[in-house]
Amino acid sequence: GENVEQHPSTLSVQEGDSAVIKCTYSDSASNYFPWYKQELGKRPQLIIDIRSNVGEKKDQRIAVTLNKTAKHFSLHITETQPEDSAVYFCAASQGSGGGADGLTFGKGTHLIIQP
Amino acid sequence: DVKVTQSSRYLVKRTGEKVFLECVQDMDHENMFWYRQDPGLGLRLIYFSYDVKMKEKGDIPEGYSVSREKKERFSLILESASTNQTSMYLCASSFNRNYEQYFGPGTRLTVT
Repeated sequence: GENVEQHPSTLSVQEGDSAVIKCTYSDSASNYFPWYKQELGKRPQLIIDIRSNVGEKKDQRIAVTLNKTAKHFSLHITETQPEDSAVYFCAASQGSGGGADGLTFGKGTHLIIQP
Repeated sequence: DVKVTQSSRYLVKRTGEKVFLECVQDMDHENMFWYRQDPGLGLRLIYFSYDVKMKEKGDIPEGYSVSREKKERFSLILESASTNQTSMYLCASSFNRNYEQYFGPGTRLTVT
């Protein structure tokens, strides 16, 4: 099955600096890579996703890059703000071939924005 | 606006009890999922369903079963609850494969 590794587990950056979170995956059949943000006590919410036919996607201060050859993808947050503090999860589709794809999640990165 | 609801926010059960967790979505989504979330382990897929009465095992199905009798409702069943099933359980739904999964608020289950 799919295996997703996420690093680092904790990331502390100064407000206004950039943050980068990296993930690797094992299953070459995976073709969908979402990123979720989970604030304390709340449900995970999608912030950006990328499909395997695209190498990079950007949405305001957030960008995701995908390297299919190396099987890794990264989340980049620029000009970090206090409200960016949360746990971030990367995920990869399991490519089950059935009618739906479950997601395999990384273990999460706790992003701390220092004022 | 997509709404995914779960039957309970907090639940306390005894070892050996049969436990039902229910999830309802109101957006006519085809796919529904059950995950459990534990500190340091992220979210792990238990079961998912892509149609009524259809189900597929996820990564950790042991000790669980599911039921999807109606499109909007997906139930997770713990046949005989054990203490190692104490966890946060999250339900999700999506329109189609490789589309955004919308999560419910979660049920924090404690098995004593």
